[in-house]
Amino acid sequence: DAKTTQPPSMDCAEGRAANLPCNHSTISGNEYVYWYRQIHSQGPQYIIHGLKNNETNEMASLIITEDRKSSTLILPHATLRDTAVYYCIVRVNYQLIWGAGTKLIIKP
Amino acid sequence: GAVVSQHPSRVICKSGTSVKIECRSLDFQATTMFWYRQFPKQSLMLMATSNEGSKATYEQGVEKDKFLINHASLTLSTLTVTSAHPEDSSFYICSARSLAGADQTQYFGPGTRLLVL
Repeated sequence: DAKTTQPPSMDCAEGRAANLPCNHSTISGNEYVYWYRQIHSQGPQYIIHGLKNNETNEMASLIITEDRKSSTLILPHATLRDTAVYYCIVRVNYQLIWGAGTKLIIKP
Repeated sequence: GAVVSQHPSRVICKSGTSVKIECRSLDFQATTMFWYRQFPKQSLMLMATSNEGSKATYEQGVEKDKFLINHASLTLSTLTVTSAHPEDSSFYICSARSLAGADQTQYFGPGTRLLVL
């Protein structure tokens, strides 16, 4: 079973920051949090991952709470092309256990 | 970097035939590749883990004689769906785990859509 829970869907206005929450209250100390997204009929695209510290790359920022029980993916300036299903995943023994994800719809 | 390709992207076959899907890591080496299946409006389900030079490890409920996996090199794994039936129609996706770095992120291919008539 997936170790994460996410809201099933979210809307965000184009040009605004999209903040996607994820709960992973049973995460263990050495388990990474990964974020992927899947645009319709395509393979998942890696976005970002982290262990304890906040991370930022050219796509997004990942904010992990100090107790590591939750995290937030931030897309700073959402565009229409960011419409996708976003998966928050706790990697267990090098395996990715996929939950249902959050369907993010960017609206013009 | 970290590009994974799959071929073919789409295949239609008759019931009872076998279909081979290739997964290649184009710009990195991967000792481990993973094969997933995704049905419409569902999440990805791991089918098997493929290690270069050894037998694949299948998830519970996945028939190893039906879904043959070969991982012949550090950049190529193949999945063969043998004697395909309509219920095998699905979106098959592979991923490759990079050797570099301690965290070993998985990178995914674009997927192969299989339709069995």
